[in-house]
Amino acid sequence: SQTIHQWPATLVQPVGSPLSLECTVEGTSNPNLYWYRQAAGRGLQLLFYSVGIGQISSEVPQNLSASRPQDRQFILSSKKLLLSDSGFYLCAWIGTGLRNSPLHFGNGTRLTVT
Amino acid sequence: QQPVQSPQAVILREGEDAVINCSSSKALYSVHWYRQKHGEAPVFLMILLKGGEQKGHEKISASFNEKKQQSSLYLTASQLSYSGTYFCGTVPTGAGSYQLTFGKGTKLSVIP
Repeated sequence: SQTIHQWPATLVQPVGSPLSLECTVEGTSNPNLYWYRQAAGRGLQLLFYSVGIGQISSEVPQNLSASRPQDRQFILSSKKLLLSDSGFYLCAWIGTGLRNSPLHFGNGTRLTVT
Repeated sequence: QQPVQSPQAVILREGEDAVINCSSSKALYSVHWYRQKHGEAPVFLMILLKGGEQKGHEKISASFNEKKQQSSLYLTASQLSYSGTYFCGTVPTGAGSYQLTFGKGTKLSVIP
């Protein structure tokens, strides 16, 4: 069966520090991968998605970046965190298109920028 | 563009019914529904494809009117476990089939 791992679960970082969040999927190949962010009490904002190795589409221009160095690995990064980067970061995958298949979410990383 | 959900919040007593609506300004291929408990990741409920179908999951069902670009989620005889925030996500027709855009969510509270 397929599983998605996301770490760390919680993170407290000072403003201006770098960030690296990692997500891996097991049990499937060539998944479509997604990063969403949820600010406190808010909805789910799509940040990046990837349909293959090295292919990244950005939805929101900001100080975050994403990379997909391997088929089942998706990394979210920042060189310098802002206070507004605080939130709940969710990685998700899908095996086929979104038209008729659900997104499977990881357990999320709760990031607090101080 | 983000779909619009209504209401923003609703409080129910156990056993009561509720309807959550989701509307989009774009032509849609499908609509997803998810439920999120506080501090947890969203959990998939169901997908509705264009064709006006209706689906059910226990006492939770949904409909999709592709002509109006609207979907509704029906919760009948609500249970305490139904509490959470419900999100609809829309997949537009055409080139955007890799993008799922979520509404702002509807917070449902079921009280004894």
